[in-house]
Amino acid sequence: QSVLPQPPSASGTPGQRVTISCSGSNSNIGPNYVYWYQQLPGTAPKLLIYRNNQRPSGVPDRFSGSKSGTSASLAISGLRADDEGDYYCAAWDDSLSGWVFGGGTQLTVL
Amino acid sequence: EVQLVESGGGLVQPGGSLRLSCAVSGYTFRSYWMHWVRQIPGKGLVWVSRISNDGSITTYAGSVKGRFTISRDNAKNTLYLQMNSLRAEDAAVYYCALGEAPRDWGQGTLVTVSS
Repeated sequence: QSVLPQPPSASGTPGQRVTISCSGSNSNIGPNYVYWYQQLPGTAPKLLIYRNNQRPSGVPDRFSGSKSGTSASLAISGLRADDEGDYYCAAWDDSLSGWVFGGGTQLTVL
Repeated sequence: EVQLVESGGGLVQPGGSLRLSCAVSGYTFRSYWMHWVRQIPGKGLVWVSRISNDGSITTYAGSVKGRFTISRDNAKNTLYLQMNSLRAEDAAVYYCALGEAPRDWGQGTLVTVSS
């Protein structure tokens, strides 16, 4: 069981909006920033969202992040076929003194 | 061109050792914290270790503490992970990542632990 539970799968049709949740605690998401990563099949992870809701340059504004209390979510609007892949949340954990990742959510575009 | 290139992976017997390297180019390496993150193929990401930009601070996941050592050579723009007393459960793709939070990632190097 991951320290940051995520739904194992999510799906949507092209053009739809999907959200992926990430549940944490008062030792990780509560006091710290949340980061989101995209891992397309056969590739390395790529930073998608940093500091809860900031997008690195080059990441489309179709991707957005939010945080409330000890939970966070990633929203993808205008879903595209090439968004298919795995999405991970991450945060620093004060109790573990280390970074923790969510278990990952596999996104399927139907 | 910004690049992180891992090397040093391979097949090792249980109880053996391996040293991974991550060559960094296109960045002011000495300015950045660095991380190692691993992933069993088909499974999720697991953070392994981090090191501060000057090497003075190192942190490890509990599962590798006492067995793995992270280090860096800022003159060579290279990050290392010395892995000792390897176990079957250490087998994974190992990624190096740059940033206070993992930001830019290499392509990974595969470590296989088997007799």
